[in-house]
Amino acid sequence: EAGVAQSPRYKIIEKRQSVAFWCNPISGHATLYWYQQILGQGPKLLIQFQNNGVVDDSQLPKDRFSAERLKGVDSTLKIQPAKLEDSAVYLCASSSSRLSTSSYEQYFGPGTRLTVT
Amino acid sequence: AQTVTQSQPEMSVQEAETVTLSCTYDTSESDYYLFWYKQPPSRQMILVIRQEAYKQQNATENRFSVNFQKAAKSFSLKISDSQLGDAAMYFCAYRSAFGNGANNLFFGTGTRLTVIP
Repeated sequence: EAGVAQSPRYKIIEKRQSVAFWCNPISGHATLYWYQQILGQGPKLLIQFQNNGVVDDSQLPKDRFSAERLKGVDSTLKIQPAKLEDSAVYLCASSSSRLSTSSYEQYFGPGTRLTVT
Repeated sequence: AQTVTQSQPEMSVQEAETVTLSCTYDTSESDYYLFWYKQPPSRQMILVIRQEAYKQQNATENRFSVNFQKAAKSFSLKISDSQLGDAAMYFCAYRSAFGNGANNLFFGTGTRLTVIP
């Protein structure tokens, strides 16, 4: 079974530029998450999708961040314009279901390391 | 919001010895899940072990076991017979059992484990 795929692995941009990250979840996984992991911290949820609908985007800085999951499969996360404090690793994860009375495991991709200069 | 605290930024252990990583959390919920994730330098977050709050028995996965103290809101990870491959960042994470946030993981700040040959 293929894991969660992300690209690119690394990206360096200047502040005020835009950038986009791509994520392909595990086949059949309905739920997709984007996390931001700043150096020295644990990951923080930015947005959660169930199929192609948004479940939780309360922590997404909507003035500059946007995300979409067309057709309920792949997802893209965009930052426009980028700020220095956006330097972080952006992790994508997927799981099999949102409904939870059991612990549906989240599977993580390798992440994209973004450096904003 | 739930908070997860890992008070040990760094730990080291001699190969083949045992080490315990600490984690405490704060919640008003009665049902939830707790996890330990391992993040090697490659950045791929891997689930090590999970614990359901309604279960009194501590979870065990091979050389990994937890000490879950619900009343004290404590969830420590014990690694026995430490191996060089255990060197990584370890994150404690919390997830509610119900509601819209049912799949949202709250992470601690991590503990960097070094294994000394």
